[in-house]
Amino acid sequence: GAVVSQHPSRVICKSGTSVKIECRSLDFQATTMFWYRQFPKQSLMLMATSNEGSKATYEQGVEKDKFLINHASLTLSTLTVTSAHPEDSSFYICSASALSGGAVEETQYFGPGTRLLVL
Amino acid sequence: AQSVTQLGSHVSVSEGALVLLRCNYSSSVPPYLFWYVQYPNQGLQLLLKYTTGATLVKGINGFEAEFKKSETSFHLTKPSAHMSDAAEYFCAVILQGAQKLVFGQGTRLTINP
Repeated sequence: GAVVSQHPSRVICKSGTSVKIECRSLDFQATTMFWYRQFPKQSLMLMATSNEGSKATYEQGVEKDKFLINHASLTLSTLTVTSAHPEDSSFYICSASALSGGAVEETQYFGPGTRLLVL
Repeated sequence: AQSVTQLGSHVSVSEGALVLLRCNYSSSVPPYLFWYVQYPNQGLQLLLKYTTGATLVKGINGFEAEFKKSETSFHLTKPSAHMSDAAEYFCAVILQGAQKLVFGQGTRLTINP
């Protein structure tokens, strides 16, 4: 149980285009999903917290208009990198916390990540 | 604010030897504690977690960790390393009732044949 998927696993795009990454909780409901960015040989950096049906909460220094997050259902959150540039190239990982007994569990389950390369 | 320190960015052990990955945290109240493993080009997999109860917790793949409040530590151990244990390991904490995980910088574990 507690499986999170991401799609696509890898994407290459041209500078200036937009890229959408999907994060799905496959076997549980997730009112809260998280988006992280990871640079090579570094830890995860939280970009934003996404709550179903409401606006995402972005971390300091993360551009809201650059990284659009939508959490339209209890099993799906999307991250859209708008007008991508080479410096946006990175490994993007989502995670989800399960809803259990009306409360959000503390454990985050992670997706397999999406490798974005902007040329 | 909480913080997590993983001592040693890189640990190398021989196959069959003891694995010890260190994690210390700083928090005003005891947090929930997690160890995650990341294989190359993959997401994070939960190894084990401590929330309440027994302070020695057992996880997957033969790993275990002990929560020591007096030392503010949550070190990860495995009695006998296997080649497949080579990966990046992250210690993380979260305050009760909070949403955000705070990660350590990670420890790369290398297993020598």
